[in-house]
This record gives sequence, structure tokens and C-alpha cells, in this order.
Amino acid sequence: AQRVTQPEKLLSVFKGAPVELKCNYSYSGSPELFWYVQYSRQRLQLLLRHISRESIKGFTADLNKGETSFHLKKPFAQEEDSAMYYCALRGGGADGLTFGKGTHLIIQP
Amino acid sequence: GAGVSQSPSNKVTEKGKDVELRCDPISGHTALYWYRQSLGQGLEFLIYFQGNSAPDKSGLPSDRFSAERTGGSVSTLTIQRTQQEDSAVYLCASSSQGISYNEQFFGPGTRLTVL
Repeated sequence: AQRVTQPEKLLSVFKGAPVELKCNYSYSGSPELFWYVQYSRQRLQLLLRHISRESIKGFTADLNKGETSFHLKKPFAQEEDSAMYYCALRGGGADGLTFGKGTHLIIQP
Repeated sequence: GAGVSQSPSNKVTEKGKDVELRCDPISGHTALYWYRQSLGQGLEFLIYFQGNSAPDKSGLPSDRFSAERTGGSVSTLTIQRTQQEDSAVYLCASSSQGISYNEQFFGPGTRLTVL
């Protein structure tokens, strides 16, 4: 069975500090990993995916197959980064995503 | 263009009643998904429709849950004999195709409260 674990329910950092949101997964094959974000009173939206190897809004995430991790990082947090962040996995040919329980990121001024 | 829409935005019902939740996907999107967002449980995949293929129902939690998609567009999620544990936000998403991954665009959700 596939599983996504986000160990932190809540993460609070000061503006300008580095941010790392942890995500670990369990899957026997080669998964596709994603980060979704939900800002206050907005819809859930895709932030980035590992295949693209891109930086979005200053965030990056590297898939580490050895550690089965896909941590989300940003070197300098901004107040507008405050949101709920969900790590998600797609595998096994099914298109439904398996989500972690989410991390509430709060950036303090 | 218009995004995914869902109705109603809020639904309060009594235990034991049936409810229907509606999703209008983005025009032209062939894939449609339902998820449930429960307090403390994160997002759970419920069901996936791709074109005219048989839906992937692997995430439905019980036989009280069913969904249909008419004409390859609008979808209805039906919960029969609702229970208090069904209280959650039900999210619908659509994407342009399901063969390879395309971004899933989410609707605003329907907040269901079962009293």
C-alpha cells in the first residue's frame, strides 16, 4: 500500500528564515511526487512536482529515493508563504493521488 | 475560464438521510476525481472517472458511497444513510487526461455536516 507521511502538523518560522517541510513516502515502485498548497480561503492548487525539477515561488523539492523523501525547501520564508502544504504521491497506474495529512506553515513577521 | 465548481458549498443533514453533491469539471477535462478532507485525516481519494472507462472506485469507504458521471461531464457523489463520520469537506478535481499525469484542478469543496 502506498502512504505519504508529513510528520509536522504545524511549522512556525520567522520571515527570512529557511523553511523545510518534510515528506516521506512508502511505495514499492517508482512514484510521482507532488506538493500541493492551500492558501487561506483559496482552493487547493499544485505547487510543484518532482518530474519538473522546477522552483516555484522560491520553493524546491528533491526526490530522494534512498531515503524515500520529498522534502519541500525555501531558503528565505516570506509572510505570503503561510498556508497548508500537502505532499502527494501518484503510483501504480491509478491517477488518484495519495495525500499526506498536511503541514500548516505559519510565517511570523 | 471557469474553474471546477461544486454545489452546494455547504450542506447540513440529519443522520440517516441521503445527500447528493455535485461537481462541474472544467470544460474539456476528461478526468474527474472526488476526494474527502476530514479533520485530522488529510485528503483521501474516493473515486476517479476517466472518459468512458469504468471508474476507479477503490477509495470509496463503504457501499453507502456512490458516484456517477453523466455525459462525461457533471458528476454526482451520493452518500446514503449518512453517518456523523461522513462529516467532511468533499473536494472534486478535474484534469485534461489520465494516461499520464496532468495537473488536477480542484473545486472549492462542499462542506458536509451530519448532525
